[in-house]
Order: sequence, then C-alpha cells, then structure tokens
Amino acid sequence: EPEVTQTPSHQVTQMGQEVILRCVPISNHLYFYWYRQILGQKVEFLVSFYNNEISEKSEIFDDQFSVERPDGSNFTLKIRSTKLEDSAMYFCASGVYGNTEAFFGQGTRLTVV
Amino acid sequence: GIQVEQSPPDLILQEGANSTLRCNFSDSVNNLQWFHQNPWGQLINLFYIPSGTKQNGRLSATTVATERYSLLYISSSQTTDSGVYFCAGETSGSRLTFGEGTQLTVNP
Repeated sequence: EPEVTQTPSHQVTQMGQEVILRCVPISNHLYFYWYRQILGQKVEFLVSFYNNEISEKSEIFDDQFSVERPDGSNFTLKIRSTKLEDSAMYFCASGVYGNTEAFFGQGTRLTVV
Repeated sequence: GIQVEQSPPDLILQEGANSTLRCNFSDSVNNLQWFHQNPWGQLINLFYIPSGTKQNGRLSATTVATERYSLLYISSSQTTDSGVYFCAGETSGSRLTFGEGTQLTVNP
C-alpha cells in the first residue's frame, strides 16, 4: 500500500541552526501538507502546497519556514534558524486533491537544544 | 477557522468493553477524518467520513453532517487500541483542524 515517508525519524539540532525535513508523498497525490505537534498538544496545520506553490498557510508558518518541491518526488520543510519552541513532531501529509482524505507520514521528531 | 471539540478527553476501559468517542464541529465540514496516534507518535488513518456511516472491523464511525458531529465506536476493545484518538475537519481551503484528542487506555 502506498505511504508517505519522512526522513529523518528523529533529528537533534542546536538552537540557531537550519534544518531540512524531508518527505516523499504518495506518487499520484497533488496536495502536500506539513503539520506539527508539540509534545502533549494537538496537531496543528502549518502549510499546504499545490501546483508548486503555497496554497494556504497558518499564522505559525512565518518567515523562518519555507517549503519546496525540489524534484518530482520530494517535498521539504526548511526551518531557517531553529528555536527551542520549534521542538515538535513534524508530519508530512498528502492527498489526491484538497478536501479529500489526507494521508500522514510517520513523523520527524525535531529536538532543538 | 472552525473549532473542533472532542469528548471525553480521557477514557479508561477494561479489555472487551465498548466505547463511543464524540467530535463536534463549529461549522459544516467538507472533509472529516478520524486518526489513532499510537505510542510511537504515528498518525494512523481510521476513517475518512464527511457523512454517513462506515465500519472497519471492530471500529465504526458515523457523521451527521447537518448536526455537525461525528462519533467513533470501538467495540470489544483490546489493549492495542490504547492511544490518542483525533478527529479533524476541513471546511474550505485545504487545512485540517484537529481536536484536542481523546486519550484511551485499555487495561487487560
């Protein structure tokens, strides 16, 4: 069964460093998403991406965040200068279209020290 | 954006018991999904159910779109059912809004 895959599964980084989280969405899906979950809290939307551009973003997705689809299969989330409060589980998701079922990857646990 | 309210926040069951989890939405949704978050943090898709009823093994879900709520039924619960159950809805656009979750503990 096709699935969304994320790498790495866990990343530890120093405050102020840049990190890139990687995702391979399901191959025939057109919509891609990033969500995050701070430990013990609910899952929060960050950004959606369609047709090589951001279609929607939340207030959390400020200038330190960026997304890219560098080739036909990968979808990345870059955090430019990490802060302690960026520590969270980051989920990538994809869907055939918007408003259809979204499938989530296993997550990348980011720890900023 | 929409508000998503889940109840109960915590639920403790003995193995074999049945349970019902509820999700209320502040607005009509076009997309509604139920997830199970396992102890490793993975979000497992349970149901995509903007309306109607679906069943998958011991789990079933019903969404009454006109009344803005959805129910998840777990029958004959097992210890492996433990974890957090989230519902999430989408109105227009492309973002899913998640509830706070129901923490389910099934004791042997």
